[in-house]
Amino acid sequence: TQLLEQSPQFLSIQEGENLTVYCNSSSVFSSLQWYRQEPGEGPVLLVTVVTGGEVKKLKRLTFQFGDARKDSSLHITAAQPGDTGLYLCAGAVSGTYKYIFGTGTRLKVLA
Amino acid sequence: DAGVIQSPRHEVTEMGQEVTLRCKPISGHDYLFWYRQTMMRGLELLIYFNNNVPIDDSGMPEDRFSAKMPNASFSTLKIQPSEPRDSAVYFCASSPEPGLSPYEQYFGPGTRLTVT
Repeated sequence: TQLLEQSPQFLSIQEGENLTVYCNSSSVFSSLQWYRQEPGEGPVLLVTVVTGGEVKKLKRLTFQFGDARKDSSLHITAAQPGDTGLYLCAGAVSGTYKYIFGTGTRLKVLA
Repeated sequence: DAGVIQSPRHEVTEMGQEVTLRCKPISGHDYLFWYRQTMMRGLELLIYFNNNVPIDDSGMPEDRFSAKMPNASFSTLKIQPSEPRDSAVYFCASSPEPGLSPYEQYFGPGTRLTVT
């Protein structure tokens, strides 16, 4: 069974601080996605990374796919209250159209 | 486009009753996914369809759960009989044919199911 463990599980920080969320597995994924989910809504796709070592930036968010395509990280610079939410990573199961979702990181940014 | 539409948004029912959740995917999307989200188990894939055909139902917890997609614009997830442990938020998501790039999933707002 392929599992994606995210850490930390919960994170509460002050506005302006930097943070990193990790997504780890013992399995190789053909691609990996990051989503943000707000209360009462479905997850919304932030980014997809495909190549080992790939780095993508989305404004203050930086995403990296591990060289071996088993792990990923999400770094937020100068966090803002609008970044508050549940962050989910999802790995694509090779040969299928299935994504396995991580355990989630619940972020709260205090003003 | 209005996005993925799910109904009802909230459902409260008694144990043993039949529950039907509904989903309208984004027009033109070939794939439809049903997920369940709980605090304990996170977001789990139950079943997905391609062009109205069920492709993988290995995530369906047991025979009490069934899903259908009679046409490209409508899908249902049915639980009969419902049990308290089925309480969760159920999401429907759709995506276009992925082509050369990994597909993007577009999630609906979810149905919060409470079984008492």
